Amino acid sequence: GAGVSQSPSNKVTEKGKDVELRCDPISGHTALYWYRQSLGQGLEFLIYFQGNSAPDKSGLPSDRFSAERTGGSVSTLTIQRTQQEDSAVYLCASRSTATNEKLFFGSGTQLSVL
Amino acid sequence: AQSVTQLDSQVPVFEEAPVELRCNYSSSVSVYLFWYVQYPNQGLQLLLKYLSGSTLVKSINGFEAEFNKSQTSFHLRKPSVHISDTAEYFCAVTPLNNAGNMLTFGGGTRLMVKP
Repeated sequence: GAGVSQSPSNKVTEKGKDVELRCDPISGHTALYWYRQSLGQGLEFLIYFQGNSAPDKSGLPSDRFSAERTGGSVSTLTIQRTQQEDSAVYLCASRSTATNEKLFFGSGTQLSVL
Repeated sequence: AQSVTQLDSQVPVFEEAPVELRCNYSSSVSVYLFWYVQYPNQGLQLLLKYLSGSTLVKSINGFEAEFNKSQTSFHLRKPSVHISDTAEYFCAVTPLNNAGNMLTFGGGTRLMVKP
C-alpha cells in the first residue's frame, strides 16, 4: 500500500478482555516498530522487528503484551487481560533499511479499556 | 484535527555551528508539543516536550525548544552541534482534551552534521 495501515482505528474493550491490533507496513520495509502514547505523554517504544532477526522486546511493559510479525510483513500486537492503564494510542511505524532510514508512521489505533 | 509542518526536510550544518529546526502546527484545541529524535538504525526517542509552564524547554544534550502560541511554533535549536547529533528529528503534537490523544507528527527533518 501507499502507507502504513493500522486497524482498527478505534477499539473499545472491557477490562480483562484480550485485544489484537494489526499493522500492515509499507511493502518492502524490513523494520517495523510498535509504540504507544498515553494521554499527555510522549511516545513509548514497545517492540522492534528487523527482518528475520529476533525482535527487540525491551519496551513491552508486561508479559500481557506480545507481538508477532508474520512473513516479514503484517504485525499483530496482542494485549491479554487488558487493564485500564493500557488505554492509549498504539502506533506502528516502518522503514526501509535499503537506502532510506525515514520512519513512516501509521495513523494509530486508539484503545480504550473500560 | 491537528497538523504539523516541518518546513525543512534536510538541514546540513557544520560541526559546532548553531542550528534551528522549524516546526509549526495548527490545531483547534490546545496541544502538548514534542520533539522526537531518531538516530541512525535506532527507534524514536523523546527529546523534549512542552506540557505547560515555561515556554522554553531544554533537553539534557543541549537542545532547547520554545513554544510560541501566537506563531503556533515550536522550533528546536542548539547553539553548537556535534557529529553525534546527526539524526532525524520529528515534531509532534497531541491534544489536551480527552476527545483523543492521537499523536500527530510532522514529516521529519534530517539533520546532517558535517566535520
